[in-house]
Amino acid sequence: GAVVSQHPSRVICKSGTSVKIECRSLDFQATTMFWYRQFPKQSLMLMATSNEGSKATYEQGVEKDKFLINHASLTLSTLTVTSAHPEDSSFYICSAGTGYDGETQYFGPGTRLLVL
Amino acid sequence: GQQLNQSPQSMFIQEGEDVSMNCTSSSIFNTWLWYKQDPGEGPVLLIALYKAGELTSNGRLTAQFGITRKDSFLNISASIPSDVGIYFCAGREGGSEKLVFGKGTKLTVNP
Repeated sequence: GAVVSQHPSRVICKSGTSVKIECRSLDFQATTMFWYRQFPKQSLMLMATSNEGSKATYEQGVEKDKFLINHASLTLSTLTVTSAHPEDSSFYICSAGTGYDGETQYFGPGTRLLVL
Repeated sequence: GQQLNQSPQSMFIQEGEDVSMNCTSSSIFNTWLWYKQDPGEGPVLLIALYKAGELTSNGRLTAQFGITRKDSFLNISASIPSDVGIYFCAGREGGSEKLVFGKGTKLTVNP
């Protein structure tokens, strides 16, 4: 149980285009999902907390107009990187909270974004 | 942002040896989680701890939630080559949805 999927697993795009990444909880409902970014050989950096039916909460320094988050249902959250630039190239990972208070997070397999 | 102090940063061991890594925090946590991440993959949950003093095992892995609620350790017994990867600790403060992550321990197991 507690499986989280992400799509796509890899994406290459041209600078200036937008890319949408989907995160799904496959066998449980998640009122809260989280989006992380990970640079090579570094730990995970939380970008935003996504709550179903409400606006996402962004971490300091993360541009909400650049990284659009939509949590339309209890099993789906999407992250759209708008007008992507090479510096947005990274490994994006989502997680979904479950348990009594959502205290246990299960992670998706990640999406490798390369912006040319 | 806030991070946990995770040590050691890296370990090189022989197959069959036991491994121990730990995390400490200046904050009190209500939850401690241990994850393993393989290259190009998302972190996989190994053990979740919810109460101070709790000792939990998952196969060859054992983790404990420190009594002070400011630390946790993970032990791996009789290591095997597939234990290679990066291990992250993560903690959650009471009243917060967010996890705080350690910087990771990179484990290399020599056959």
